[in-house]
Amino acid sequence: DAGVIQSPRHEVTEMGQEVTLRCKPISGHDYLFWYRQTMMRGLELLIYFNNNVPIDDSGMPEDRFSAKMPNASFSTLKIQPSEPRDSAVYFCASSPRWWIGLSYEQYFGPGTRLTVT
Amino acid sequence: GENVEQHPSTLSVQEGDSAVIKCTYSDSASNYFPWYKQELGKRPQLIIDIRSNVGEKKDQRIAVTLNKTAKHFSLHITETQPEDSAVYFCAASNWAGGTSYGKLTFGQGTILTVHP
Repeated sequence: DAGVIQSPRHEVTEMGQEVTLRCKPISGHDYLFWYRQTMMRGLELLIYFNNNVPIDDSGMPEDRFSAKMPNASFSTLKIQPSEPRDSAVYFCASSPRWWIGLSYEQYFGPGTRLTVT
Repeated sequence: GENVEQHPSTLSVQEGDSAVIKCTYSDSASNYFPWYKQELGKRPQLIIDIRSNVGEKKDQRIAVTLNKTAKHFSLHITETQPEDSAVYFCAASNWAGGTSYGKLTFGQGTILTVHP
């Protein structure tokens, strides 16, 4: 398995532009998580899905952020309009159903480094 | 919701020494406690985890202990090596049910530096 795949790996955009980050979870994993990492705030959970359904989006900063999971193999995180304070590394992670081998591990993707100027 | 506090924020040791990182959690319903290691510019990766029905778990040079009564858990690294230098995150989760099922709450991270 290729692991969790994220694209793009780096994104530089100007303030006010729309940004779309993409994630392909590991095949067979039922949970998908979006995190944001900054020096100041550490690793923050933005939203997570179970079987393509959003379960908890309490970490989404504001209405400018939205996430979708149209099917089991694809998710997007969109920021519109983007602002300089959105600059961070965005990680996607997936994990299997908890009762499969009792594994609760979250497998992280390589991350997308977003810079908003 | 769950809140996880991690200490220290930075830790510097000499090669061969032991390193200990401590975390406390607030939600007594949490029952799963993983530790992730993140090297510079890389993704976080699980290094060890413990469930609430176990007090201690070891894997070669690393070990984790859990005190449910006090709601704290610790990571112990023995015989540290320069390649152990990284940021370490503790986390807590409740896999028994409820609205936070499956959600990991991370600590703030500890920057461990092992000097040769």
